[in-house]
Amino acid sequence: GDSVVQTEGQVLPSEGDSLIVNCSYETTQYPSLFWYVQYPGEGPQLHLKAMKANDKGRNKGFEAMYRKETTSFHLEKDSVQESDSAVYFCALIPNTGTASKLTFGTGTRLQVTL
Amino acid sequence: DTGVSQDPRHKITKRGQNVTFRCDPISEHNRLYWYRQTLGQGPEFLTYFQNEAQLEKSRLLSDRFSAERPKGSFSTLEIQRTEQGDSAMYLCASRPQGADGNTIYFGEGSWLTVV
Repeated sequence: GDSVVQTEGQVLPSEGDSLIVNCSYETTQYPSLFWYVQYPGEGPQLHLKAMKANDKGRNKGFEAMYRKETTSFHLEKDSVQESDSAVYFCALIPNTGTASKLTFGTGTRLQVTL
Repeated sequence: DTGVSQDPRHKITKRGQNVTFRCDPISEHNRLYWYRQTLGQGPEFLTYFQNEAQLEKSRLLSDRFSAERPKGSFSTLEIQRTEQGDSAMYLCASRPQGADGNTIYFGEGSWLTVV
Protein backbone atom coordinates (compact mmCIF):
# COMPACT_ATOMS: atom_id res chain seq x y z
CA GLY A 1 0.00 0.00 0.00
CA ASP A 2 0.87 3.67 -0.08
CA SER A 3 3.07 5.13 2.62
CA VAL A 4 4.57 8.47 3.65
CA VAL A 5 7.55 8.79 5.97
CA GLN A 6 8.44 11.88 7.97
CA THR A 7 11.69 11.26 9.79
CA GLU A 8 11.51 14.14 12.26
CA GLY A 9 8.88 14.03 14.95
CA GLN A 10 9.77 17.49 16.17
CA VAL A 11 12.02 20.34 15.06
CA LEU A 12 12.96 23.30 17.27
CA PRO A 13 14.49 26.10 15.19
CA SER A 14 14.98 29.64 16.39
CA GLU A 15 13.14 32.46 14.68
CA GLY A 16 15.02 33.43 11.52
CA ASP A 17 16.56 29.98 11.03
CA SER A 18 16.16 28.08 7.79
CA LEU A 19 14.04 24.94 7.81
CA ILE A 20 13.89 21.62 6.02
CA VAL A 21 11.29 19.04 7.03
CA ASN A 22 11.80 15.72 5.32
CA CYS A 23 9.13 13.72 3.54
CA SER A 24 9.53 10.60 1.43
CA TYR A 25 6.79 8.55 -0.10
CA GLU A 26 6.11 5.15 -1.57
CA THR A 27 3.31 4.26 -3.95
CA THR A 28 2.70 2.14 -7.02
CA GLN A 29 0.59 4.93 -8.51
CA TYR A 30 1.55 8.37 -9.73
CA PRO A 31 0.56 10.64 -6.81
CA SER A 32 -0.27 14.23 -6.07
CA LEU A 33 1.63 15.43 -3.00
CA PHE A 34 0.51 17.71 -0.21
CA TRP A 35 1.60 19.39 2.97
CA TYR A 36 -1.17 19.97 5.48
CA VAL A 37 -0.78 22.12 8.61
CA GLN A 38 -2.66 21.51 11.82
CA TYR A 39 -3.07 23.89 14.74
CA PRO A 40 -4.14 22.73 18.21
CA GLY A 41 -7.78 21.69 18.36
CA GLU A 42 -8.35 22.10 14.62
CA GLY A 43 -8.52 19.89 11.58
CA PRO A 44 -5.71 19.75 9.01
CA GLN A 45 -5.61 22.64 6.55
CA LEU A 46 -4.11 22.43 3.10
CA HIS A 47 -0.76 24.25 3.17
CA LEU A 48 0.64 23.57 -0.29
CA LYS A 49 0.46 21.00 -3.03
CA ALA A 50 2.18 19.71 -6.17
CA MET A 51 0.35 17.70 -8.78
CA LYS A 52 3.19 16.26 -10.84
CA ALA A 53 6.92 15.70 -10.94
CA ASN A 54 9.07 18.85 -10.85
CA ASP A 55 6.15 21.01 -9.70
CA LYS A 56 6.90 23.26 -6.75
CA GLY A 57 4.24 24.04 -4.20
CA ARG A 58 4.47 27.44 -2.47
CA ASN A 59 2.62 29.11 0.37
CA LYS A 60 3.56 31.81 2.92
CA GLY A 61 7.27 31.49 2.22
CA PHE A 62 7.26 27.69 2.37
CA GLU A 63 8.21 25.62 -0.66
CA ALA A 64 8.26 21.93 -1.54
CA MET A 65 9.56 20.37 -4.75
CA TYR A 66 7.98 17.19 -6.12
CA ARG A 67 11.02 15.00 -6.84
CA LYS A 68 10.00 11.77 -8.52
CA GLU A 69 13.55 10.46 -8.86
CA THR A 70 14.09 10.50 -5.09
CA THR A 71 10.39 10.06 -4.15
CA SER A 72 10.62 13.07 -1.87
CA PHE A 73 8.64 16.24 -1.10
CA HIS A 74 10.66 18.08 1.54
CA LEU A 75 9.21 21.24 3.06
CA GLU A 76 11.58 24.21 3.15
CA LYS A 77 11.59 27.78 4.35
CA ASP A 78 14.42 30.30 4.38
CA SER A 79 13.46 32.07 7.60
CA VAL A 80 10.90 30.68 10.02
CA GLN A 81 8.69 32.79 12.26
CA GLU A 82 7.11 32.01 15.59
CA SER A 83 3.70 32.03 13.88
CA ASP A 84 4.79 29.05 11.76
CA SER A 85 4.66 26.82 14.84
CA ALA A 86 2.24 23.96 14.17
CA VAL A 87 2.19 20.30 13.16
CA TYR A 88 2.93 19.65 9.50
CA PHE A 89 1.76 16.52 7.72
CA CYS A 90 3.01 15.28 4.38
CA ALA A 91 0.43 13.33 2.38
CA LEU A 92 -0.19 11.75 -1.00
CA ILE A 93 -3.16 10.78 -3.09
CA PRO A 94 -2.87 8.62 -6.22
CA ASN A 95 -3.78 10.37 -9.45
CA THR A 96 -4.85 7.15 -11.10
CA GLY A 97 -6.29 3.80 -10.18
CA THR A 98 -9.13 2.95 -7.83
CA ALA A 99 -7.46 4.07 -4.58
CA SER A 100 -8.84 7.47 -3.84
CA LYS A 101 -7.76 8.40 -0.34
CA LEU A 102 -5.11 10.61 1.22
CA THR A 103 -2.33 8.78 3.02
CA PHE A 104 -0.60 10.82 5.72
CA GLY A 105 2.76 10.72 7.38
CA THR A 106 3.02 10.79 11.16
CA GLY A 107 3.60 14.53 11.26
CA THR A 108 6.40 16.89 12.28
CA ARG A 109 5.85 19.33 15.10
CA LEU A 110 7.49 22.66 14.32
CA GLN A 111 8.12 24.75 17.41
CA VAL A 112 9.85 28.02 16.61
CA THR A 113 11.55 29.68 19.55
CA LEU A 114 12.23 33.39 19.90
CA ASP B 1 -18.51 29.92 6.17
CA THR B 2 -18.74 27.33 3.40
CA GLY B 3 -16.20 24.88 4.78
CA VAL B 4 -16.76 21.33 5.99
CA SER B 5 -18.92 21.41 9.11
CA GLN B 6 -18.88 18.79 11.85
CA ASP B 7 -21.16 18.34 14.84
CA PRO B 8 -20.69 17.95 17.74
CA ARG B 9 -17.20 19.30 18.16
CA HIS B 10 -16.74 17.52 21.46
CA LYS B 11 -18.45 14.48 22.95
CA ILE B 12 -17.80 12.73 26.24
CA THR B 13 -19.56 9.42 26.62
CA LYS B 14 -19.52 6.45 28.92
CA ARG B 15 -18.12 3.17 27.72
CA GLY B 16 -20.81 1.08 26.08
CA GLN B 17 -22.92 4.01 24.90
CA ASN B 18 -23.58 4.81 21.24
CA VAL B 19 -22.49 8.08 19.65
CA THR B 20 -23.22 9.68 16.30
CA PHE B 21 -21.29 12.39 14.49
CA ARG B 22 -22.61 14.45 11.62
CA CYS B 23 -20.69 15.97 8.73
CA ASP B 24 -21.89 18.55 6.22
CA PRO B 25 -19.44 18.72 3.32
CA ILE B 26 -18.68 21.71 1.16
CA SER B 27 -21.58 22.32 -1.18
CA GLU B 28 -21.39 20.34 -4.44
CA HIS B 29 -18.49 18.20 -3.27
CA ASN B 30 -19.59 14.72 -4.27
CA ARG B 31 -16.86 12.85 -2.40
CA LEU B 32 -16.76 12.56 1.37
CA TYR B 33 -14.28 10.93 3.73
CA TRP B 34 -14.05 10.01 7.39
CA TYR B 35 -10.67 9.82 9.11
CA ARG B 36 -9.62 9.15 12.69
CA GLN B 37 -6.72 10.87 14.43
CA THR B 38 -5.18 10.06 17.79
CA LEU B 39 -2.72 12.25 19.67
CA GLY B 40 0.67 12.43 18.02
CA GLN B 41 -0.42 10.57 14.89
CA GLY B 42 -1.48 11.47 11.39
CA PRO B 43 -5.08 11.04 10.30
CA GLU B 44 -6.01 7.46 9.39
CA PHE B 45 -8.55 6.68 6.69
CA LEU B 46 -11.82 5.10 7.78
CA THR B 47 -14.23 5.27 4.86
CA TYR B 48 -15.08 7.04 1.60
CA PHE B 49 -18.32 7.96 -0.17
CA GLN B 50 -18.91 9.06 -3.71
CA ASN B 51 -22.37 10.59 -3.68
CA GLU B 52 -24.43 8.15 -1.58
CA ALA B 53 -22.32 5.09 -2.37
CA GLN B 54 -19.82 3.89 0.22
CA LEU B 55 -16.95 2.81 -2.02
CA GLU B 56 -14.21 1.91 0.44
CA LYS B 57 -13.88 0.96 4.09
CA SER B 58 -10.71 0.56 6.08
CA ARG B 59 -9.96 -2.48 8.21
CA LEU B 60 -9.97 0.04 11.08
CA LEU B 61 -13.74 0.31 10.67
CA SER B 62 -14.92 -2.51 12.92
CA ASP B 63 -18.49 -3.76 12.87
CA ARG B 64 -19.30 -1.31 15.69
CA PHE B 65 -18.78 1.56 13.26
CA SER B 66 -21.26 2.48 10.58
CA ALA B 67 -21.29 5.42 8.21
CA GLU B 68 -24.05 6.62 5.95
CA ARG B 69 -24.62 9.31 3.39
CA PRO B 70 -28.25 8.74 2.50
CA LYS B 71 -28.88 11.54 0.02
CA GLY B 72 -25.35 12.17 -1.12
CA SER B 73 -25.10 15.33 0.96
CA PHE B 74 -24.46 15.12 4.73
CA SER B 75 -23.00 12.04 6.35
CA THR B 76 -23.21 10.40 9.76
CA LEU B 77 -20.70 8.20 11.56
CA GLU B 78 -22.12 6.06 14.35
CA ILE B 79 -20.09 4.16 16.89
CA GLN B 80 -21.98 1.53 18.84
CA ARG B 81 -20.93 0.15 22.24
CA THR B 82 -18.06 2.60 22.55
CA GLU B 83 -14.75 1.47 24.02
CA GLN B 84 -11.99 3.56 25.55
CA GLY B 85 -9.85 2.84 22.50
CA ASP B 86 -12.37 4.75 20.39
CA SER B 87 -11.27 8.00 22.02
CA ALA B 88 -9.90 10.11 19.16
CA MET B 89 -10.70 12.99 16.87
CA TYR B 90 -12.98 12.00 14.00
CA LEU B 91 -12.36 14.10 10.92
CA CYS B 92 -14.66 14.54 7.98
CA ALA B 93 -13.39 15.78 4.65
CA SER B 94 -14.82 16.49 1.23
CA ARG B 95 -13.42 16.64 -2.26
CA PRO B 96 -14.70 18.25 -5.44
CA GLN B 97 -14.69 17.05 -9.01
CA GLY B 98 -12.94 18.95 -11.72
CA ALA B 99 -9.71 20.91 -11.77
CA ASP B 100 -9.32 20.92 -7.99
CA GLY B 101 -10.33 17.27 -7.81
CA ASN B 102 -7.23 16.01 -6.03
CA THR B 103 -7.53 18.38 -3.07
CA ILE B 104 -9.30 17.20 0.06
CA TYR B 105 -10.69 19.72 2.53
CA PHE B 106 -11.07 18.83 6.20
CA GLY B 107 -13.49 19.94 8.84
CA GLU B 108 -12.56 21.00 12.35
CA GLY B 109 -13.06 17.49 13.71
CA SER B 110 -15.21 15.90 16.39
CA TRP B 111 -13.39 14.96 19.59
CA LEU B 112 -14.62 11.81 21.28
CA THR B 113 -13.66 10.92 24.83
CA VAL B 114 -14.88 7.57 26.16
CA VAL B 115 -14.75 7.33 29.96
